[in-house]
Amino acid sequence: SQQGEEDPQALSIQEGENATMNCSYKTSINNLQWYRQNSGRGLVHLILIRSNEREKHSGRLRVTLDTSKKSSSLLITASRAADTASYFCATDANDYKLSFGAGTTVTVRA
Amino acid sequence: DTAVSQTPKYLVTQMGNDKSIKCEQNLGHDTMYWYKQDSKKFLKIMFSYNNKELIINETVPNRFSPKSPDKAHLNLHINSLELGDSAVYFCASSQVDSGNEQFFGPGTRLTVL
Repeated sequence: SQQGEEDPQALSIQEGENATMNCSYKTSINNLQWYRQNSGRGLVHLILIRSNEREKHSGRLRVTLDTSKKSSSLLITASRAADTASYFCATDANDYKLSFGAGTTVTVRA
Repeated sequence: DTAVSQTPKYLVTQMGNDKSIKCEQNLGHDTMYWYKQDSKKFLKIMFSYNNKELIINETVPNRFSPKSPDKAHLNLHINSLELGDSAVYFCASSQVDSGNEQFFGPGTRLTVL
């Protein structure tokens, strides 16, 4: 069964705007990860946040984690056309696998 | 110097046939995975191997048989292909004791006619 649920399913923004997507999960986790998938390609790891961390930054990406609410958010600032992709959250419950959400499709309009 | 490679990239075949997908990683990781991504982009784990040993089999039909000849390779053989097997199959690898960040291959798009 899916562990993570992303919201919204799809997002369309203008270049330069920020994009925010959310992920909710059901069980205790070791860490939560975000991945990007460009059309027709494999997933690429973006950022990992551990269960004892609340916020993490990487370039234009900002991830938050609220373990009490079992939720995470990914913010992409100053979006570019190249950010057009599907974004997936994945939870690691320390059981040799990741459980992926259904993904958020982001379209950045020039 | 591709990290995780899969062959073939595309596979079109008739129902009932048997086919294989190969995966290799040159990252020195100890764990490899097969995922299936359906047309709605749901990504579901199928198998996980740690140091050549099967550790996860997520209720996959036994027509699917993974084989790991060594730590760097994880192949997937599918018998008696069915229409519902059409999907994109991704291989991935990770070092579990280092956060389990996974590195994905480019995917194999399987179409069963």
